[in-house]
Amino acid sequence: DQQVKQNSPSLSVQEGRISILNCDYTNSMFDYFLWYKKYPAEGPTFLISISSIKDKNEDGRFTVFLNKSAKHLSLHIVPSQPGDSAVYFCAASALTGGGNKLTFGTGTQLKVEL
Amino acid sequence: DAGVIQSPRHEVTEMGQEVTLRCKPISGHNSLFWYRQTMMRGLELLIYFNNNVPIDDSGMPEDRFSAKMPNASFSTLKIQPSEPRDSAVYFCASTMTATYGYTFGSGTRLTVV
Repeated sequence: DQQVKQNSPSLSVQEGRISILNCDYTNSMFDYFLWYKKYPAEGPTFLISISSIKDKNEDGRFTVFLNKSAKHLSLHIVPSQPGDSAVYFCAASALTGGGNKLTFGTGTQLKVEL
Repeated sequence: DAGVIQSPRHEVTEMGQEVTLRCKPISGHNSLFWYRQTMMRGLELLIYFNNNVPIDDSGMPEDRFSAKMPNASFSTLKIQPSEPRDSAVYFCASTMTATYGYTFGSGTRLTVV
């Protein structure tokens, strides 16, 4: 039972253009969402997060949008750079009663081409 | 700070053998998590500890898997006996309780032949 889904296993974008990575969730108790980035042979690293009381959070080139009614979030990277090429994991947590454990998606491999 | 340290980085073992993966969390972090990464399921939570106490082990796939945290600076994940389907990358992560900015180790790539 995959509660956090990333339906696109891969995405290819040209340098300078926008990258949009999508994530859907099924558990209505989730109220905090994060994106992690992973390079080969390394562990994932935290990128950006959003609470369910917001619908947008921005940090430099990275913006996360949350649509609670659709149970959908997306990560926008603009402009995309070659160094952004990595696997991106969406993660979610239930702040109430969930402890601080995160449920991750399957990941999307982003390739930014020159 | 050296970050979360996992050992070994790579492990190749024969089916039926016991495998032990090790993790040293960041000093001061009191939550520790073991995840397994596969293509099909992404990052899958196996077990997590708060203050050295196992809180949720519902992700541990079978009785062949066990995890311990004897003190705040060390945890092990043991598979006995190992099977080819256990082949994956195993990550350990730590954080402060009630926070979500996990720090992950570099992982252990396990191959069971």
